[in-house]
Amino acid sequence: GQNIDQPTEMTATEGAIVQINCTYQTSGFNGLFWYQQHAGEAPTFLSYNVLDGLEEKGRFSSFLSRSKGYSYLLLKELQMKDSASYLCAAMDSNYQLIWGAGTKLIIKP
Amino acid sequence: GAVVSQHPSWVICKSGTSVKIECRSLDFQATTMFWYRQFPKQSLMLMATSNEGSKATYEQGVEKDKFLINHASLTLSTLTVTSAHPEDSSFYICSAKLAGDTGELFFGEGSRLTVL
Repeated sequence: GQNIDQPTEMTATEGAIVQINCTYQTSGFNGLFWYQQHAGEAPTFLSYNVLDGLEEKGRFSSFLSRSKGYSYLLLKELQMKDSASYLCAAMDSNYQLIWGAGTKLIIKP
Repeated sequence: GAVVSQHPSWVICKSGTSVKIECRSLDFQATTMFWYRQFPKQSLMLMATSNEGSKATYEQGVEKDKFLINHASLTLSTLTVTSAHPEDSSFYICSAKLAGDTGELFFGEGSRLTVL
């Protein structure tokens, strides 16, 4: 079956760095997405990886290893506004997104 | 970037009534739109895939007669929750995919439905 695993909750300190991991198993693969979702709001797009390696975009970076079925989202210089849920989603061979349950990130001062 | 607008943002209705939620792509044509439901503290659950001019494809366990989806134009899809009950209270979100794109989805603001 198809499955996405990511931690349920993580806590980090303002100004620090945090890495949110995601492992996936899908029927075929057409890319890995990360979305940020603040409570009560719709998700917003953060990143898309389809090739192995690290993609950097400002304070956020995303990494993909297709052979390991593994991705991570790296957040640097954490700010209080980064407190949110981070959703990992893998696109299968039918271009359908398989969603993880999300990782709730709590930032402490 | 592409903008998707969803309306209404909040709706409260009595049990047994029907509620319609609209999802519009404002500055692009979306041949495919997706409808999700999200219960508190849970992930997005895909309900159905809506293709312009054809019947929606529903996910397993989603009642197509209860959740009516219409995608009559390239910029508008509607979700109608018929005979709503308290257990239908949820956050409903639509998204649209740019044709031929990497698959990036653009989400509407979401609609919070409360059924009394």
